[in-house]
Amino acid sequence: DAGITQSPRHKVTETGTPVTLRCHQTENHRYMYWYRQDPGHGLRLIHYSYGVKDTDKGEVSDGYSVSRSKTEDFLLTLESATSSQTSVYFCAISDWQSGNTIYFGEGSWLTVV
Amino acid sequence: QQQVKQSPQSLIVQKGGISIINCAYENTAFDYFPWYQQFPGKGPALLIAIRPDVSEKKEGRFTISFNKSAKQFSLHIMDSQPGDSATYFCAASVLEYGNKLVFGAGTILRVKS
Repeated sequence: DAGITQSPRHKVTETGTPVTLRCHQTENHRYMYWYRQDPGHGLRLIHYSYGVKDTDKGEVSDGYSVSRSKTEDFLLTLESATSSQTSVYFCAISDWQSGNTIYFGEGSWLTVV
Repeated sequence: QQQVKQSPQSLIVQKGGISIINCAYENTAFDYFPWYQQFPGKGPALLIAIRPDVSEKKEGRFTISFNKSAKQFSLHIMDSQPGDSATYFCAASVLEYGNKLVFGAGTILRVKS
């Protein structure tokens, strides 16, 4: 357990509704990431953060926004959920002090109906 | 554009056999190549990683072979065990640019007892 807590772990929501996934870490790591996992695609980076209030887009950022107001929390928001955003979402953390290892959370299963 | 291509998609190996998973990359700026293991319902966990200054790294039954000129790297699991049955992902990143991992599509390994 790398000290990462994702919430909620499972959620079913309707198309067009906003959804926020939360990632909380207890490791004080600088870098935080949100990935989505889909069959045949592996994991793809949505957004990442390199410090408080410092975020940038990843490979599949359209339809997603993020915020990081504290070192320990990284929020992923789907402003208006679509069925194509049905996926498993993983939060991850890393820091130079951890030898560049990226640690993943347990995942959040999101279904958009 | 898939920057990291992984093969095979699935693999069945007898207990005690050698499992081999291959990956190829395109971006010559990549300087960190980890392999992740994922069990159903869990997040990916780092198995072993290599930097491009070495051609091979071994940790227990797991070995990474790296061929910089061919832009390929592979994971070898010696004496494969049923407990090794999982999904394996190769990945690559540029460490100085936030260590944003680009993943292969994954290989589902089943070790038959």
